[in-house]
Amino acid sequence: LAKTTQPISMDSYEGQEVNITCSHNNIATNDYITWYQQFPSQGPRFIIQGYKTKVTNEVASLFIPADRKSSTLSLPRVSLSDTAVYYCLVGPINYSSASKIIFGSGTRLSIRP
Amino acid sequence: DADVTQTPRNRITKTGKRIMLECSQTKGHDRMYWYRQDPGLGLRLIYYSFDVKDINKGEISDGYSVSRQAQAKFSLSLESAIPNQTALYFCATSAGTTNQPQHFGDGTRLSIL
Repeated sequence: LAKTTQPISMDSYEGQEVNITCSHNNIATNDYITWYQQFPSQGPRFIIQGYKTKVTNEVASLFIPADRKSSTLSLPRVSLSDTAVYYCLVGPINYSSASKIIFGSGTRLSIRP
Repeated sequence: DADVTQTPRNRITKTGKRIMLECSQTKGHDRMYWYRQDPGLGLRLIYYSFDVKDINKGEISDGYSVSRQAQAKFSLSLESAIPNQTALYFCATSAGTTNQPQHFGDGTRLSIL
């Protein structure tokens, strides 16, 4: 199982770009990388998913280097409402066992005015 | 995500009581999951089901049981509640056989005295 390591917390200011890096040195060939966002007292919400290179959607970008041993979630021009916990998950494309899904402790992102 | 509904949202009960948490979904997904989240920690998988006839243990299934009554319903039971089962419980769903994103309910806050 690919274990992930993220910073425990990060601080930034409104309008800045925030990059959260996740390390997954043991990622397997058939693993995808998925990021979720969680606000207090709510369930996690899917942000973005990728396999290699770069993925972009209306919310964020995900950068994955060629060796895939890490990934970076990029949030452009953050606002106060981006204050949340962000989880990086690594799991196989066709997971026959959901026990391969591992949520770590996440990164607590705090945005200041 | 209003498509995944958990009931009750809050519950306070006593040690030794039997408790059932319910989850229903309108997303038409085959896969359903139960997670537990303790303060400041990530989510841990309790049980998961890939279809109505499929039930699988997750990382922390001891002290819990589940029932998949229909594609849309997945309930979690604590047969004899104990204080260290006090936590926030989340139900989630996902589609297909690939690493599809999970969609979470807003959780049930359970306190066992």
